[in-house]
Amino acid sequence: DAGVTQSPTHLIKTRGQQVTLRCSPKSGHDTVSWYQQALGQGPQFIFQYYEEEERQRGNFPDRFSGHQFPNYSSELNVNALLLGDSALYLCASSSRTSGRVDTQYFGPGTRLTVL
Amino acid sequence: DAKTTQPPSMDCAEGRAANLPCNHSTISGNEYVYWYRQIHSQGPQYIIHGLKNNETNEMASLIITEDRKSSTLILPHATLRDTAVYYCIVRTYGGATNKLIFGTGTLLAVQP
Repeated sequence: DAGVTQSPTHLIKTRGQQVTLRCSPKSGHDTVSWYQQALGQGPQFIFQYYEEEERQRGNFPDRFSGHQFPNYSSELNVNALLLGDSALYLCASSSRTSGRVDTQYFGPGTRLTVL
Repeated sequence: DAKTTQPPSMDCAEGRAANLPCNHSTISGNEYVYWYRQIHSQGPQYIIHGLKNNETNEMASLIITEDRKSSTLILPHATLRDTAVYYCIVRTYGGATNKLIFGTGTLLAVQP
């Protein structure tokens, strides 16, 4: 049973460019959350998707947007990249039981470097 | 802000038990204690969670004090592969949307 998968593993972009990161949730999971982890810090919540809609958002600008597909996979898009967007981007998946979010399981992450 | 306090670092000898403390004095009645760990540059790995009773699984044991204001994660026989940052998180179990709020965690260094 495959766990949470993310692609690509590493990515290098320049300032001002746009990037798309992808996540496939664990089998049986329907909820996807995205986190940003800067070097030396704990992960910070970006947003969560369920039923193809953004359900909760952290303190991130509109340059960060997402999408969830009918097969529950998800994309994170970041526009107008800044040097400060360099980080490890983590996807976590979970299931919902009676509308409640269960334990989140993380993927390996995508390392984004902005030059 | 994170609702937990953890020591920044701890050492443990290989083969010995590692006891990682966490303070969560403002925890409310419907909040669970979750533990994750993160090995360098990998995604966080779920370890265990509990509400008020002690919990044990194949990875670790979780001891929660009776007043629920603190807890201890126990790795019974630490190995070098247990070297990681351990995060203690309190969250409402099963809410409609429940983000995880990470602090800075405890860096556990298992020594040979």
